[in-house]
Amino acid sequence: SQQGEEDPQALSIQEGENATMNCSYKTSINNLQWYRQNSGRGLVHLILIRSNEREKHSGRLRVTLDTSKKSSSLLITASRAADTASYFCAPRSNDYKLSFGAGTTVTVRA
Amino acid sequence: NAGVTQTPKFQVLKTGQSMTLQCAQDMNHEYMSWYRQDPGMGLRLIHYSVGAGITDQGEVPNGYNVSRSTTEDFPLRLLSAAPSQTSVYFCASSAGASVNTEAFFGQGTRLTVV
Repeated sequence: SQQGEEDPQALSIQEGENATMNCSYKTSINNLQWYRQNSGRGLVHLILIRSNEREKHSGRLRVTLDTSKKSSSLLITASRAADTASYFCAPRSNDYKLSFGAGTTVTVRA
Repeated sequence: NAGVTQTPKFQVLKTGQSMTLQCAQDMNHEYMSWYRQDPGMGLRLIHYSVGAGITDQGEVPNGYNVSRSTTEDFPLRLLSAAPSQTSVYFCASSAGASVNTEAFFGQGTRLTVV
């Protein structure tokens, strides 16, 4: 398995603004998954994008995947206080193991 | 449908004690795994299992044992607790038929070793 590297490490935005975070990985993948972790809680799956997809939407989330650059981005539009959390990407190759980087900590200010 | 249930939620151990962290899922998932998360870091994979009777090591297996006698349960045993094992432990499960599946996480066990 391989782990993704999220960037930036931390992000602070005003409520209503958009938040963008990036993920880079090293080897070819089958899919890439994004997860959210609220303080002290378990991770919650947000979205999965397959290697043959370039963009995917889910509510206020938009994920892009560029396999030539081995990178992905997660955009949260019109952020809310409830979006305050850490966000992790998990690039997945052809095994079941999921590995996680250090994540991006997003703080949404009222 | 409870999902992934971890017990206990909090535990304090003395150095050298042993204990078992419990993890159970009711989704009939084949794949289960244990992670630890230290402050400011991501999750590191300790052990995982692709089905009953099959387990394998992750990135940081030393000091931990696992077994998988049923599909539902995947306990993590600390053999002789050390302060370096102070961490938050998460159990996760996913359907094993394809890698295009999401993982479901428990709420974590916060372990302190003194």
